[in-house]
Amino acid sequence: AQSVAQPEDQVNVAEGNPLTVKCTYSVSGNPYLFWYVQYPNRGLQFLLKYITGDNLVKGSYGFEAEFNKSQTSFHLKKPSALVSDSALYFCAVRESGGSYIPTFGRGTSLIVHP
Amino acid sequence: KAGVTQTPRYLIKTRGQQVTLSCSPISGHRSVSWYQQTPGQGLQFLFEYFSETQRNKGNFPGRFSGRQFSNSRSEMNVSTLELGDSALYLCASSFKLPGELFFGEGSRLTVL
Repeated sequence: AQSVAQPEDQVNVAEGNPLTVKCTYSVSGNPYLFWYVQYPNRGLQFLLKYITGDNLVKGSYGFEAEFNKSQTSFHLKKPSALVSDSALYFCAVRESGGSYIPTFGRGTSLIVHP
Repeated sequence: KAGVTQTPRYLIKTRGQQVTLSCSPISGHRSVSWYQQTPGQGLQFLFEYFSETQRNKGNFPGRFSGRQFSNSRSEMNVSTLELGDSALYLCASSFKLPGELFFGEGSRLTVL
């Protein structure tokens, strides 16, 4: 069975500082990995994905993520945080060759302080 | 291009009633999936449809059902509502599998 872990319920960072939101996964085969962001009372918005290829993936709003197969991680990063980045972030995994049912992490609340 | 549209956005029902939620995917997207979001359980997969066929179903009781029409629009139905069904129900569409999901704003259901 596939699973996703987001070990931090909340991440606090000062505006202008780099941010990292952690995600680790477990699948039997090769993973398809995604990051989504959710603002209050809104649906989820796609940020970036890893399917194959370069381990460093660049996405929307200056976010990037690095796929690390040996550590089964897919951490979300941004060099300089903005107050407007404050939101709930979800990591998701789909297993290649499987049913493609996505499993989402429980979410990490990012708070960027002015 | 218009995004995923869900209706209604908010609704209040009482225990024992039933509810139908609607989702219109992005034009050209043939895959539609549904999720239940609650503070306690997070995002839980309900079901996925592709070209009017249910491809996958999550671990929910039979009270939860859905369907997809020939124009890719989808509906989900919850019968005999329970208090625990109170949640944000999200619909997402995708152009292909396993592509990224495009979510609607959700339908917030409150069961009293």
